[in-house]
Amino acid sequence: LAKTTQPISMDSYEGQEVNITCSHNNIATNDYITWYQQFPSQGPRFIIQGYKTKVTNEVASLFIPADRKSSTLSLPRVSLSDTAVYYCLVGEGYTGRRALTFGSGTRLQVQP
Amino acid sequence: SAVISQKPSRDICQRGTSLTIQCQVDSQVTMMFWYRQQPGQSLTLIATANQGSEATYESGFVIDKFPISRPNLTFSTLTVSNMSPEDSSIYLCSVRGNQETQYFGPGTRLLVL
Repeated sequence: LAKTTQPISMDSYEGQEVNITCSHNNIATNDYITWYQQFPSQGPRFIIQGYKTKVTNEVASLFIPADRKSSTLSLPRVSLSDTAVYYCLVGEGYTGRRALTFGSGTRLQVQP
Repeated sequence: SAVISQKPSRDICQRGTSLTIQCQVDSQVTMMFWYRQQPGQSLTLIATANQGSEATYESGFVIDKFPISRPNLTFSTLTVSNMSPEDSSIYLCSVRGNQETQYFGPGTRLLVL
């Protein structure tokens, strides 16, 4: 499974855009990139998944360059409630049969 | 999406005892997973539990310590046996639908004294 590297922590202020970049140099051809969010005392929650270029949903955008060796999760206009740990995962996509493998995650702290 | 519940939500146990954690899903799913999350750490996969077959354990986890049952497509249990303080963690159940990514339960917070 491809290893991921992401910053341990990030700080931001309310209303700002936050970009969290994840490196995955050994990503395989069939691998998808998935991001999860985890609040304290809760299980991780799916945010977004993509294979290449750009994916956008109501929560975030995911930017993936052509070489797919990195990806950037973009959270527009963060609020205090976006304070959480964000995990970047690389592996089988929607129809995969293996469990997801979690890296260390990025702890985002949003200040007022 | 799938709605997952876990029981108990938290417990405090004495060393040497065992605790069984239940995971209930609101729909039938083929693949269920159990993870452990130690304080301040990321999630570590314990085992994969598929209905009709024995659970598959990851390196470092054994059936004698973490026996798993999967009696049907909506339910699973994980037992933490002969507990020690090092077993103090959050234990999370996760499921995967046929066409969807993984969903996680709220977790069971375990403290072993």
